[in-house]
Amino acid sequence: EDQVTQSPEALRLQEGESSSLNCSYTVSGLRGLFWYRQDPGKGPEFLFTLYSAGEEKEKERLKATLTKKESFLHITAPKPEDSATYLCAVRDDYKLSFGAGTTVTVRA
Amino acid sequence: NAGVTQTPKFQVLKTGQSMTLQCAQDMNHNSMYWYRQDPGMGLRLIYYSASEGTTDKGEVPNGYNVSRLNKREFSLRLESAAPSQTSVYFCASSDWLGATQYFGPGTRLLVL
Repeated sequence: EDQVTQSPEALRLQEGESSSLNCSYTVSGLRGLFWYRQDPGKGPEFLFTLYSAGEEKEKERLKATLTKKESFLHITAPKPEDSATYLCAVRDDYKLSFGAGTTVTVRA
Repeated sequence: NAGVTQTPKFQVLKTGQSMTLQCAQDMNHNSMYWYRQDPGMGLRLIYYSASEGTTDKGEVPNGYNVSRLNKREFSLRLESAAPSQTSVYFCASSDWLGATQYFGPGTRLLVL
């Protein structure tokens, strides 16, 4: 059975304090790893898809990387507007399996 | 483009009542999905529709039924609501089965 584990569960950062979120997975045949951002009371918003080890994607202050067993979401010099829950999901065949998310709070 | 829309936004039901959650997408996507999200757990797939005219069970289908009304619309029905179905329900769509999924704003359901 596919498993996706995200750590930490919660992360409190000072504005400008860079950090990383981890998504570790076990899947029989990875066919894509997805990162989403979810604001309170809203639906998940797509950020990135990674397909192979060594691949990297960037968007503003966010950078996602992928290895054979885990993915990292790096937040560089975060701002309060980066506060959200970040969800990781892996695709095995057609189905997405989601982690429980990391809630990031950035204080000004 | 509105993307994925869901109605209602919030609903309170009594145990045993029935209701239908509505979902529509305007992105001309072929595949649509229903998830539930509970505190401390990842999104869990209830049902999905690979294309118009087809539906299949996901990870947690018990107590639910779905209808793919046309290419745009995918509804989720609770025939006899139970407190365990208190959750936030999200509809999503994708170009094809397994492609990037785009989510609606969610329906918050409370079953008393």
